[in-house]
Amino acid sequence: EAGVVQSPRYKIIEKKQPVAFWCNPISGHNTLYWYLQNLGQGPELLIRYENEEAVDDSQLPKDRFSAERLKGVDSTLKIQPAELGDSAVYLCASSKERATEAFFGQGTRLTVV
Amino acid sequence: QQQVKQSPQSLIVQKGGISIINCAYENTAFDYFPWYQQFPGKGPALLIAIRPDVSEKKEGRFTISFNKSAKQFSLHIMDSQPGDSATYFCAASSTNGQNFVFGPGTRLSVLP
Repeated sequence: EAGVVQSPRYKIIEKKQPVAFWCNPISGHNTLYWYLQNLGQGPELLIRYENEEAVDDSQLPKDRFSAERLKGVDSTLKIQPAELGDSAVYLCASSKERATEAFFGQGTRLTVV
Repeated sequence: QQQVKQSPQSLIVQKGGISIINCAYENTAFDYFPWYQQFPGKGPALLIAIRPDVSEKKEGRFTISFNKSAKQFSLHIMDSQPGDSATYFCAASSTNGQNFVFGPGTRLSVLP
């Protein structure tokens, strides 16, 4: 069984430029999470999807961040425009449903210069 | 919004020793408590998890102890090995919609 796939693995962009991350969850997993992880810290939730519906986006900075999950499978997270403080690892995770085993992808390391 | 507290921040253990990491939570609605292991450059990997209906769960060298009344749970790594050197995160979630909340992490170093 393939795990959670994220791309790209690394991304370097100049500030004010847009950037997008892609996530393919484990087949059959209805719940999809996007987390942000700063160096030396635990993951912090940005948004959670149940199928196509974003059920919790309270921590998503909506002025510059957006996300979508088409057909309840793949998801993209976009930042426009990126700021220096957005440099972090963006992690995608999926689970069959809430409060069950959540599996993480390897993450996308974003560097904004 | 640190709903899960974790200690120590870092831990150094000799090979063969016992590593103990502690976590405490506040939200009594939490009913699922996983531990994740993360190596540099990798995403967190699920290690072991427990629900409040049991006080202990063991899988190989890894054991979770859970104290519902104290709202605390801990990870014990028996016979610690250099390959266990990683960052460990406790987390908590609930079936009523509270998302996964992670602790700040413990960096474990097992000396050969």
